[in-house]
Amino acid sequence: GENVEQHPSTLSVQEGDSAVIKCTYSDSASNYFPWYKQELGKGPQLIIDIRSNVGEKKDQRIAVTLNKTAKHFSLHITETQPEDSAVYFCAASRYYKLSFGAGTTVTVRA
Amino acid sequence: DVKVTQSSRYLVKRTGEKVFLECVQDMDHENMFWYRQDPGLGLRLIYFSYDVKMKEKGDIPEGYSVSREKKERFSLILESASTNQTSMYLCASSWATSGASSYNEQFFGPGTRLTVL
Repeated sequence: GENVEQHPSTLSVQEGDSAVIKCTYSDSASNYFPWYKQELGKGPQLIIDIRSNVGEKKDQRIAVTLNKTAKHFSLHITETQPEDSAVYFCAASRYYKLSFGAGTTVTVRA
Repeated sequence: DVKVTQSSRYLVKRTGEKVFLECVQDMDHENMFWYRQDPGLGLRLIYFSYDVKMKEKGDIPEGYSVSREKKERFSLILESASTNQTSMYLCASSWATSGASSYNEQFFGPGTRLTVL
């Protein structure tokens, strides 16, 4: 089955700096790569996703890049703010099934 | 807004008890999912249902069963709870996919933190 590795497990950044989280996947047939944000006491919520026919996607301060050849994808958050503090999960999918990374706890220092 | 609700936020049960976790979604989604979330392991799929009375095993179905009698409701059952089932349980729902190249966002509930003593 699909195996998704996510790094780093924790990330502390100064407010205003950028944050980058990286994931690799094993199944070359995976074609959909969502990123979820989980705030304390809440369920994960989709923040951005990318499909395998696209190399990069941006939505305001967040962007995702995908390298199909190397089987890795990354989340970039620019101009970090305190409300960006959360746990972020990457996932890879073929059909309905999502395989999640272990998660990255992001802390934005004021 | 899509709403996925779970019956309890916190639950404490004894080893050997039968445990029911309930999930309800209000968006008429075809697909419903149960995951467990453990530190360092991310989210792992327990079971998936794509229609009423239809189910498929996920990656870690052992020790669990599910029931989907109505489209909006998906239940996770621990037949005989054990301490290694202490975890956060998350329910999710999504529209049905159509074709291998399509995928739909999964909407998650707030989770149930289950402790088995």
